[in-house]
Amino acid sequence: AQSVTQLGSHVSVSEGALVLLRCNYSSSVPPYLFWYVQYPNQGLQLLLKYTSAATLVKGINGFEAEFKKSETSFHLTKPSAHMSDAAEYFCAVSLPRSYGKLTFGQGTILTVHP
Amino acid sequence: EPEVTQTPSHQVTQMGQEVILRCVPISNHLYFYWYRQILGQKVEFLVSFYNNEISEKSEIFDDQFSVERPDGSNFTLKIRSTKLEDSAMYFCATGTGVNTEAFFGQGTRLTVV
Repeated sequence: AQSVTQLGSHVSVSEGALVLLRCNYSSSVPPYLFWYVQYPNQGLQLLLKYTSAATLVKGINGFEAEFKKSETSFHLTKPSAHMSDAAEYFCAVSLPRSYGKLTFGQGTILTVHP
Repeated sequence: EPEVTQTPSHQVTQMGQEVILRCVPISNHLYFYWYRQILGQKVEFLVSFYNNEISEKSEIFDDQFSVERPDGSNFTLKIRSTKLEDSAMYFCATGTGVNTEAFFGQGTRLTVV
């Protein structure tokens, strides 16, 4: 079975500061990994995904994540936070041939201060 | 941009009543999913549906739950006899293939009273 742990349920940064949201996974086989963002009263929007190609993945809105097999991590970063980045972020894992079933982490709420 | 549409956005129902949550997938998508998020908890997988049958389901998806695609367009989740603990946000998601990204709808907030 696979699982995802997001370290820190709340992260607060200043506008312009580095954003780092942590995600560690557990999987018996090489997984596919995803980051989703949820703005208030909206659905989940895909930020980026890793599906066994390049380990450094670039997504929308300036976000990127690096797959590190040795650390079983897939941390999400953005060099400079913007007020509009305030949202809840979810890391998720799926397994090959799993019909797309996603297992989510518990989410990290990002707050951006002026 | 194509999107997954869910109706209603909010449903209040009495315990023991049946509810049907509806989803209109993106038109060329073949894989369909339901997830739920109880307030303050993780988003949890309920069921996946492909080729008019359930391909995988979680332990949450018991006999009280069913899914179908009644008319080839809508994808529905039925809860036969709702319980208080069924109160949650229910998300429909659809995709073009296995291990491609899932596109999520905005959710239906179900409140059981």
